[in-house]
Amino acid sequence: QVTLKESGPVLVKPTETLTLTCTVSGFSLSNARMGVSWIRQPPGKALEWLAHIFSNDEKSYSTSLKSRLTISKDTSKSQVVLTMTNMDPVDTATYYCARISWGQLAPFDYWGQGTLVTVSS
Amino acid sequence: EIVMTQSPATLSVSPGERATLSCRASQSVSSNLAWYQQKPGQAPRLLIYGASTRATGIPARFSGSGSGTEFTLTISSLQSEDFAVYYCQQYNNWPPRPFGQGTKLEIK
Repeated sequence: QVTLKESGPVLVKPTETLTLTCTVSGFSLSNARMGVSWIRQPPGKALEWLAHIFSNDEKSYSTSLKSRLTISKDTSKSQVVLTMTNMDPVDTATYYCARISWGQLAPFDYWGQGTLVTVSS
Repeated sequence: EIVMTQSPATLSVSPGERATLSCRASQSVSSNLAWYQQKPGQAPRLLIYGASTRATGIPARFSGSGSGTEFTLTISSLQSEDFAVYYCQQYNNWPPRPFGQGTKLEIK
């Protein structure tokens, strides 16, 4: 059974760095062509893709947020970590992790439940 | 960067009727397009990939069509559980991997 679960702080202050963890089960992050993305959704708004990491450690980022994002993985712990620096109230959103399982040309077939992060002083 | 545009923003349809949702890409994405359904308080769920292939467990009343830049999601006979927000996303040429802005399907 494939599952993904996001964890991290519920509340962060402006200018702080956010660190989110996606813990996966039912598959291995080292499997060829496997990858995990982070996606966010401000309240009442659309989905926004943030970053992706493949099993070979290849990474990609949103153009507009690239300077603030870092994605990494720990295969032994089955975890993918996203850090976002210099948080602002506009970054308040539900953050999701999602899996692709057959390489570059694949949709997100499994999603985590999401974690709501509020940015406020 | 490829921009995905969905229309309409809101669609009001009666249960049992047919719903047609559109998605346009700013440049060709071949057939590498997915549709996701999102209900309030839930994560998105994959409905359609490859523009027209239903994901596992998706009912046959959901169908996708199109290629290149124009795509359509059709729900043949709306059930109460189908009222939700629907997003399209291209995965032909990325990063980035943008979603459309969504179509809210509401009960008429």
